[in-house]
Amino acid sequence: GAVVSQHPSRVICKSGTSVKIECRSLDFQATTMFWYRQFPKKSLMLMATSNEGSKATYEQGVEKDKFLINHASLTLSTLTVTSAHPEDSSFYICSARDPQGSDTQYFGPGTRLTVL
Amino acid sequence: GIQVEQSPPDLILQEGANSTLRCNFSDSVNNLQWFHQNPWGQLINLFYIPSGTKQNGRLSATTVATERYSLLYISSSQTTDSGVYFCAVGANTDKLIFGTGTRLQVFP
Repeated sequence: GAVVSQHPSRVICKSGTSVKIECRSLDFQATTMFWYRQFPKKSLMLMATSNEGSKATYEQGVEKDKFLINHASLTLSTLTVTSAHPEDSSFYICSARDPQGSDTQYFGPGTRLTVL
Repeated sequence: GIQVEQSPPDLILQEGANSTLRCNFSDSVNNLQWFHQNPWGQLINLFYIPSGTKQNGRLSATTVATERYSLLYISSSQTTDSGVYFCAVGANTDKLIFGTGTRLQVFP
């Protein structure tokens, strides 16, 4: 199957700082990537759809100025949490849809963000 | 939007037992996937199954699209099967809506 990586796997930062999370498709090109957020013992919630070469599409209730998404190449999407606060602490997971295959999405290993 | 409910929410099994996990969805879908989230958070693709039946080793899945449900069968469970199982659906869109999840614990 297709492989998606994320970096970093975990990050701890102070309130007010910005954190960038990278999502890469390693063995395929992904025109579309997705960013999810997961709270402890909860399900995944879609935050935004990242489209290569164009603006991301955010889900209702997700602040686009808070969660900046850039999809500059066919293998890399980044999520930047700006001016992070403790309530932004969460598990962030990206996925990529293989355009050559079915509608299957392949998920990265996730990034655990802790804001102190 | 589409609602996706999974049952049971929690399941405790002894090694070797069989189980059935259910996913109900509220509208027609053209994409349905089952995932296993391991204790480290990694989501592992199990099945892409918008309709029909598939089998992969000890796991099999059936989706009855007309009745808006899917079932995941785990036979001869092992401790490594522990984790959370999610179904996720999509309808005429790239987006996946995740279900509420079933937390499975398998004890030796």
